[in-house]
Amino acid sequence: DQQVKQNSPSLSVQEGRISILNCDYTNSMFDYFLWYKKYPAEGPTFLISISSIKDKNEDGRFTVFLNKSAKHLSLHIVPSQPGDSAVYFCAAILGGSEKLVFGKGTKLTVNP
Amino acid sequence: DAGVIQSPRHEVTEMGQEVTLRCKPISGHDYLFWYRQTMMRGLELLIYFNNNVPIDDSGMPEDRFSAKMPNASFSTLKIQPSEPRDSAVYFCASSRRSQETQYFGPGTRLLVL
Repeated sequence: DQQVKQNSPSLSVQEGRISILNCDYTNSMFDYFLWYKKYPAEGPTFLISISSIKDKNEDGRFTVFLNKSAKHLSLHIVPSQPGDSAVYFCAAILGGSEKLVFGKGTKLTVNP
Repeated sequence: DAGVIQSPRHEVTEMGQEVTLRCKPISGHDYLFWYRQTMMRGLELLIYFNNNVPIDDSGMPEDRFSAKMPNASFSTLKIQPSEPRDSAVYFCASSRRSQETQYFGPGTRLLVL
């Protein structure tokens, strides 16, 4: 039973355009959400996060949006660059817990 | 800082053999996590430690899996005996304090024949 779902295994966009990666969750007790980025043969690296008390968090080209009523979050990358090509994992954490629950990832390809 | 260090990076072994994966967390980090990544299940938490003490091992799949953290700078994940379905990438991660960012190592790719 997957509590965090990334329904698109892959996404391809042109350089300079917007990339939108989506994530849905089922547990309303999650209170913190994160995005990790992973290159081949490397471990995941933290990208951006959002607390459940917010609906938006921005860091440079990366913005995460949270819609609690829909149990949905998205990561926007603007403008997309070829170096952004990687697998992106959505993760969630329960309040007071250390346990990250990951989605299965979306492979983003940014074409030059 | 060198980041989280894992060894070996690749391990090929035969069914029934003992496998030991090693992790050195970032210095000063109080939390250490072991994850496994498979195609079927994605990234899942196996066990985590706080100040060298195992806190939650509910993700450990079977008794064949065990993890130890004898000191603040070293942890092992052992599989004995190994089975082909244990083939996966195993990641170690650490964080400085409770609910802070987890930093991942490069992973150990395990293949059990």
